[in-house]
Amino acid sequence: DSGVTQTPKHLITATGQRVTLRCSPRSGDLSVYWYQQSLDQGLQFLIQYYNGEERAKGNILERFSAQQFPDLHSELNLSSLELGDSALYFCASSGQRESGDEQFFGPGTRLTVL
Amino acid sequence: AQSVSQHNHHVILSEAASLELGCNYSYGGTVNLFWYVQYPGQHLQLLLKYFSGDPLVKGIKGFEAEFIKSKFSFNLRKPSVQWSDTAEYFCAVNAGAGRRALTFGSGTRLQVQP
Repeated sequence: DSGVTQTPKHLITATGQRVTLRCSPRSGDLSVYWYQQSLDQGLQFLIQYYNGEERAKGNILERFSAQQFPDLHSELNLSSLELGDSALYFCASSGQRESGDEQFFGPGTRLTVL
Repeated sequence: AQSVSQHNHHVILSEAASLELGCNYSYGGTVNLFWYVQYPGQHLQLLLKYFSGDPLVKGIKGFEAEFIKSKFSFNLRKPSVQWSDTAEYFCAVNAGAGRRALTFGSGTRLQVQP
C-alpha cells in the first residue's frame, strides 16, 4: 500500500459525459501528479499540482482539468468524454523536497467510455 | 524534452534465468532515473532509483540497475528470476530544473515460466 488513495476504482460511462476522479496523496506530500495509461499511448503525464497550485502540464487535453484543494486532495475532471479516453488514470504523490523525489502511485481508476 | 526507450517489449524467461532489461534516455542534463514494476492488475511500485553517487543501485526483490552516463543507459538486472517476477517493467526519468513529472518508457512485459 503506497498510501495514495484513488476513487472510484472503476468507472463506466457514456460518450459525451463528464466524470470526476479523486486522489488523496500520502500524508505530508504536497505534490500530486496525474498520469494516463492506455494501450496505444502508454503512460503519459497529464498534470502536476504542488500545494494547491498548478506546477506543470503534460499531454493533457483541453477537455480535462484538475485542481488541488486546501486539504491537498486532488480531482481530475474529464468532460465531453470520447471512446479514446478509456484508460487507467493514476495519481501519484511526492514529498516536500525539491527535484528527484520518488513518486508513490495510487491504485488507479479504470475509466471505460462506451 | 526528454524521452525514454525500452527496446525489449516482451521478454520470456525460465525461472532461474538471468534478466537484463534495457533502458536508454535522451536528455543532456542531470537526470533522476527510476524503474517501476506493475504486477498484473496492480499499481506501479518503485523497484529502484538513481539520483546521484554510486552508479550501481540496488533495489527491492534482488533487482539492481547500472547508470552509464556515457551511454545514456539505465539497465535493469536480476541474476535469477522467479515466477513471481512476471510483470510489466517501466523505466522512467525526470530531468531539468523543476521538472519532476516522470517520462516513462513504453514498458517491458516480462513473463517467467516455471
